[in-house]
Amino acid sequence: GAGVSQSPRYKVAKRGQDVALRCDPISGHVSLFWYQQALGQGPEFLTYFQNEAQLDKSGLPSDRFFAERPEGSVSTLKIQRTQQEDSAVYLCASSLGGAAGYGYTFGSGTRLTVV
Amino acid sequence: SQQGEEDPQALSIQEGENATMNCSYKTSINNLQWYRQNSGRGLVHLILIRSNEREKHSGRLRVTLDTSKKSSSLLITASRAADTASYFCATDSNSGGGADGLTFGKGTHLIIQP
Repeated sequence: GAGVSQSPRYKVAKRGQDVALRCDPISGHVSLFWYQQALGQGPEFLTYFQNEAQLDKSGLPSDRFFAERPEGSVSTLKIQRTQQEDSAVYLCASSLGGAAGYGYTFGSGTRLTVV
Repeated sequence: SQQGEEDPQALSIQEGENATMNCSYKTSINNLQWYRQNSGRGLVHLILIRSNEREKHSGRLRVTLDTSKKSSSLLITASRAADTASYFCATDSNSGGGADGLTFGKGTHLIIQP
C-alpha cells in the first residue's frame, strides 16, 4: 500500500488479557520501528527491525512485550497479561534503510486501553 | 527516556502570523527531524536536517540547527488553521549500519486561531 497500515485502530483489553497489534510497513522498507506514546507525551522507542532481524529491543518495557517480523515485512507487537500502564497509542514506522538520513513514515497507530 | 525538549509546550497564535518552536537535545546527533501530529493520528514527517547543515527550507517551513548549542528551531510562516497540531522534534544519533530509532521530545501543541 501507499502508507504504513496498523490494525486494529482501537483495542480495549481487560487486565490480564493478551493482545496482538499488527503493522504493515511500506513495501520495500527495510527498517521497521515500534513506538509507545502515552497521552500528552512524545513517542518512546520500543524496538527496531532491519528486515526480519530484531536489532534493538532495548525499549521494550518488560518481558511481557514481544515483537516479531518473521518474513521481513509485516510485524506484530504482542503484549501478554496486559496491565493498565500499558494503555497508550502504539505507533509503527518504517523507513528505507537502516543508516541515518531517512525520514520515517508512521502509521496512524493502535490506541490500546486496558480496563 | 526523551532527549528532545520542545519549547514552548503550547503556542496559540492568529492565522497569518508566524509560529516558532524550539527544540534542545543532549547528545551528539547525525540528523534532527521535525514531525507533525494531528489529534488522534500518526506522525507526519516534515523535514530532516543533517548535523552538517545549519538551515533548511521546505515550503512555509524553515528549520535551523545549531550543534554547538544542541538546539533547533522550526518556523512556520503565514500560519493557517490547518497547521493546528502537535509538533515534535526527533534526533537520530545512529552512527550508521544500524539504528536504534529516533528520540522524540514531548512536543509543542500549536493552535492557530482563525
